[in-house]
Amino acid sequence: EAGVAQSPRYKIIEKRQSVAFWCNPISGHATLYWYQQILGQGPKLLIQFQNNGVVDDSQLPKDRFSAERLKGVDSTLKIQPAKLEDSAVYLCASSSEAVRLAFGSGTRLTVV
Amino acid sequence: AQTVTQSQPEMSVQEAETVTLSCTYDTSENNYYLFWYKQPPSRQMILVIRQEAYKQQNATENRFSVNFQKAAKSFSLKISDSQLGDTAMYFCAFMTWGSNYKLTFGKGTLLTVNP
Repeated sequence: EAGVAQSPRYKIIEKRQSVAFWCNPISGHATLYWYQQILGQGPKLLIQFQNNGVVDDSQLPKDRFSAERLKGVDSTLKIQPAKLEDSAVYLCASSSEAVRLAFGSGTRLTVV
Repeated sequence: AQTVTQSQPEMSVQEAETVTLSCTYDTSENNYYLFWYKQPPSRQMILVIRQEAYKQQNATENRFSVNFQKAAKSFSLKISDSQLGDTAMYFCAFMTWGSNYKLTFGKGTLLTVNP
């Protein structure tokens, strides 16, 4: 089966610009996650979707971050405006069973 | 709140030898899962092994095994017969049943296997 697809793989932007990341989960996976992984740290959950509804967005900085999941399949994560501290790897994961997450290869964002 | 602590930022081991990575966690929950994930330079997180807290028997997956000490809240990973391909970041992670199955990760241990 195809894995979790993410794009772009790398992105460099200036502070105050906007950026968007795309994720295509494994077919049939109802749950989709976005994680932020800052250099030297473990991933931190930003938002969790169940189908196209939000289950948990308690750690999403809502003043600048937004996410949506279209028709319960693909998802986009947007940052507007970006700050230097947003430099990180953004990982998408999906699952059909809570304890079996499949991760994508992430997008490395550098804000200069 | 649940926390996961990995006290070894970096470790190294010679090829074919055995290495143990440490992890401790803190929770007031009784039902939870523990995981070890591997993250190679490709950045994709790969599940190495999973342990259910209600199971007393330690999980094993080929060369990978865990030492789960529930009372001590300790969950270490042993890699036997280390291979060059084991070189990666290793993350310990925790998931409770009642938290929407949210994973909480430690800061990771960089393991280098030397030839």
